[in-house]
Amino acid sequence: DAGVTQSPTHLIKTRGQQVTLRCSPKSGHDTVSWYQQALGQGPQFIFQYYEEEERQRGNFPDRFSGHQFPNYSSELNVNALLLGDSALYLCASSQGWDQPQHFGDGTRLSIL
Amino acid sequence: RKEVEQDPGPFNVPEGATVAFNCTYSNSASQSFFWYRQDCRKEPKLLMSVYSSGNEDGRFTAQLNRASQYISLLIRDSKLSDSATYLCVVSSSRDGSARQLTFGSGTQLTVLP
Repeated sequence: DAGVTQSPTHLIKTRGQQVTLRCSPKSGHDTVSWYQQALGQGPQFIFQYYEEEERQRGNFPDRFSGHQFPNYSSELNVNALLLGDSALYLCASSQGWDQPQHFGDGTRLSIL
Repeated sequence: RKEVEQDPGPFNVPEGATVAFNCTYSNSASQSFFWYRQDCRKEPKLLMSVYSSGNEDGRFTAQLNRASQYISLLIRDSKLSDSATYLCVVSSSRDGSARQLTFGSGTQLTVLP
C-alpha cells in the first residue's frame, strides 16, 4: 500500500523562476494539504484541497497556488521564487478533511 | 506570540530516563491535538493523538488540559531510537469544511547510551 508520494525529491531554482511540485495521496485518501518547513522550524500550513477545491489557506501570498485533480493528486505552484522560499515542502493526505494527516517525504527546494 | 509554543531543547537524556515535553497553544477554538515525531531530514510521522482524558501508548503518555491550553508528552524508559524532534500539533477548522494543522517548532531529543 503506497503511502503519500511526492516529486521531485530535490529541486534547485533561481530567483524569479516558477516551480511545480506534485503529490499523490495515500490510497483511499481524498484530501491533500501542503506545508512549508524552513530549517529548524515546524511545518507551516499553506492550503488544503478537498473535492478539487481549495478549502482553507494559511498566511501565504498569492504566489503560492495549487490544484487538485479528479484522482485526488495535487500540485503546488510557486511563482516569482524568492530566496526565502527555500524549504522542505511537505504534502499530507487524509481520508476526509477531518481525519489524521499522513505526510510524504517532501520536496527539498533550494533557491539560488 | 506563536500559536503553538514548545521548548526547543535540546534535551539530552541517558537511556532509560523519563522525559517530559510541554506545549501551549493560543487558539482556544482548537479542536484536535497531536504529537508528531520527525527524524532528521525526514517527514513528520503521527506519534499519537491527545485527549482530555489522557491517553497512553506503550511508553508514551499524552495529556491535554483545555482550560490551561496545555499539552504534554511523557516518554518513559527512553530508548536510543526515541532520538528525534517531537512536534506539538494543534488542529483547527475555520468553517467546518477543512482542517489546518498548526505545528510548534519542535523539541529535539537525544537519548544517549
